[in-house]
Amino acid sequence: NAGVTQTPKFQVLKTGQSMTLQCAQDMNHEYMSWYRQDPGMGLRLIHYSVGAGITDQGEVPNGYNVSRSTTEDFPLRLLSAAPSQTSVYFCASSSLGNTEAFFGQGTRLTVV
Amino acid sequence: AQTVTQSQPEMSVQEAETVTLSCTYDTSENNYYLFWYKQPPSRQMILVIRQEAYKQQNATENRFSVNFQKAAKSFSLKISDSQLGDTAMYFCAFMKHGSRLTFGEGTQLTVNP
Repeated sequence: NAGVTQTPKFQVLKTGQSMTLQCAQDMNHEYMSWYRQDPGMGLRLIHYSVGAGITDQGEVPNGYNVSRSTTEDFPLRLLSAAPSQTSVYFCASSSLGNTEAFFGQGTRLTVV
Repeated sequence: AQTVTQSQPEMSVQEAETVTLSCTYDTSENNYYLFWYKQPPSRQMILVIRQEAYKQQNATENRFSVNFQKAAKSFSLKISDSQLGDTAMYFCAFMKHGSRLTFGEGTQLTVNP
């Protein structure tokens, strides 16, 4: 039972570098999303997708790109990392007919 | 837009005692869902309890129960017989059906031996 697999668990980047956070789910969920967690602010939605080929912006999309070429995968790209993107990132998935969201293990990203 | 507010950044409780975490929300929707998630030091997000807004009966899951006051837009979590393993960050969250989750700021709960 893999559920939602998110990689890597930890990452350190230099300002200006790019990277991709990977997220894969094996539950055939239509809805996938990315959140960032910052102290005192809870989890805030970055981008989400309701199915392959469909993505949309959340609360804090600036500096991030996403794509959804398959139902299973929903990668998050940082094109030019900034210190303000230091955070913990979570991927989540759910079925559109169900309210329960399943979360990945999170990625702690530090941009120096 | 929906907002969720948790006004208690930190709380502590003695083992075996009862503690209540507060949550208020704002929405113009009539049908929605409310959740409490637990995040232990491992960072894993764990669903604790869920409440459908159309149900008047408060949800319960073993030692966890909620006090859902729809008119007041309040959704508190009561943890009975607190255990050391309950030490975690707790998040209140709101969802319209089939839509995004909106989270509160979180409450760090510490259970003391």
